[in-house]
Amino acid sequence: EDQVTQSPEALRLQEGESSSLNCSYTVSGLRGLFWYRQDPGKGPEFLFTLYSAGEEKEKERLKATLTKKESFLHITAPKPEDSATYLCAVQANQAGTALIFGKGTTLSVSS
Amino acid sequence: DTGVSQDPRHKITKRGQNVTFRCDPISEHNRLYWYRQTLGQGPEFLTYFQNEAQLEKSRLLSDRFSAERPKGSFSTLEIQRTEQGDSAMYLCASSLGASGENEQFFGPGTRLTVL
Repeated sequence: EDQVTQSPEALRLQEGESSSLNCSYTVSGLRGLFWYRQDPGKGPEFLFTLYSAGEEKEKERLKATLTKKESFLHITAPKPEDSATYLCAVQANQAGTALIFGKGTTLSVSS
Repeated sequence: DTGVSQDPRHKITKRGQNVTFRCDPISEHNRLYWYRQTLGQGPEFLTYFQNEAQLEKSRLLSDRFSAERPKGSFSTLEIQRTEQGDSAMYLCASSLGASGENEQFFGPGTRLTVL
């Protein structure tokens, strides 16, 4: 069964304290891995798509990487406005177009 | 604003009533998706349209749920005889559908509360 597991469930950081979020996945065939940011009461906001192992993408303080079993979202020198829930999702070859989401990691950054 | 829009943003209903939600995708996107999200969980796929054709349905989509996309533009999701377990955020997303363009862009969601 296709599955996505995110860890940790919650992460508290001080402003400027870099860290990484983990997304491990089990799929029959990976078509793509997606990272989203979700603020409370809002829809997920697209961040990155990764397609193959070794691929990396960056946006401001965020960097996403992909291996054959997991993806990491690295947050460098976070600011309070980076506080949100970060969702990882996979699109599997045998799941059609549906995204299979993990439960997310809730990040809190304090100043 | 050219993003995905959803209406209403909030809906409170009594158990047993029918509700209908609307989604307007990004104008050039021919793929449209419905997801459901409960507290502390990631979104769960419900159904998918390419243009006006409903091509995929999750086993989560019981007989009380029906979705349409009559002219390949906006979509509606109807829940009949609502139950308390239907309380959730209903999210709509759209994507371009071109080769390699798999990113799904989400709307703000409709929060349903069934009393």
